[in-house]
Amino acid sequence: DTGVSQDPRHKITKRGQNVTFRCDPISEHNRLYWYRQTLGQGPEFLTYFQNEAQLEKSRLLSDRFSAERPKGSFSTLEIQRTEQGDSAMYLCASSSQDEAFFGQGTRLTVV
Amino acid sequence: RKEVEQDPGPFNVPEGATVAFNCTYSNSASQSFFWYRQDCRKEPKLLMSVYSSGNEDGRFTAQLNRASQYISLLIRDSKLSDSATYLCAFKAAGNKLTFGGGTRVLVKP
Repeated sequence: DTGVSQDPRHKITKRGQNVTFRCDPISEHNRLYWYRQTLGQGPEFLTYFQNEAQLEKSRLLSDRFSAERPKGSFSTLEIQRTEQGDSAMYLCASSSQDEAFFGQGTRLTVV
Repeated sequence: RKEVEQDPGPFNVPEGATVAFNCTYSNSASQSFFWYRQDCRKEPKLLMSVYSSGNEDGRFTAQLNRASQYISLLIRDSKLSDSATYLCAFKAAGNKLTFGGGTRVLVKP
């Protein structure tokens, strides 16, 4: 296992289109996090799963964002009707105990 | 008040010098604390967890002050390769991991 894997690494999309990102956590990590990060800012929490249960979702997250982790392994993050303000790095992290490890992220550019 | 606050820097550090910076948190129920390192346009990488008794890993020393609600990171004998953004993070009950905005460190020859 080489760590958390995210796909795609880069995505350019037109405003109004839907996009979906995938995250494969480290094997047997039961916790999975999604974050968004823009230049000069720290990672902003989006949502968190323990196994297949989505335990918390940021109040800042609009209804255009949805995440799933159907079998408690990989997760997907979908953004509907993308806006230019959605341009950011989308990071996934996983953990089994306290320490969380990040994937390389998906860089989204909305044009 | 923000949940987590960090001085954004940059801290300009001569090579070989010592640099230290803090991260304050507002949630007194915070239970676990971490320092991450992030290079430009890369993902955050875990540097070290911060224990109540403090901990050291080579040139890096982390401490926790629960009374004043901050953690600190000290880097000794700075190397050029230590140039990065250092992110603090904490977990309260529920396992949500919250990050600060990061402190930028630039080590110069």
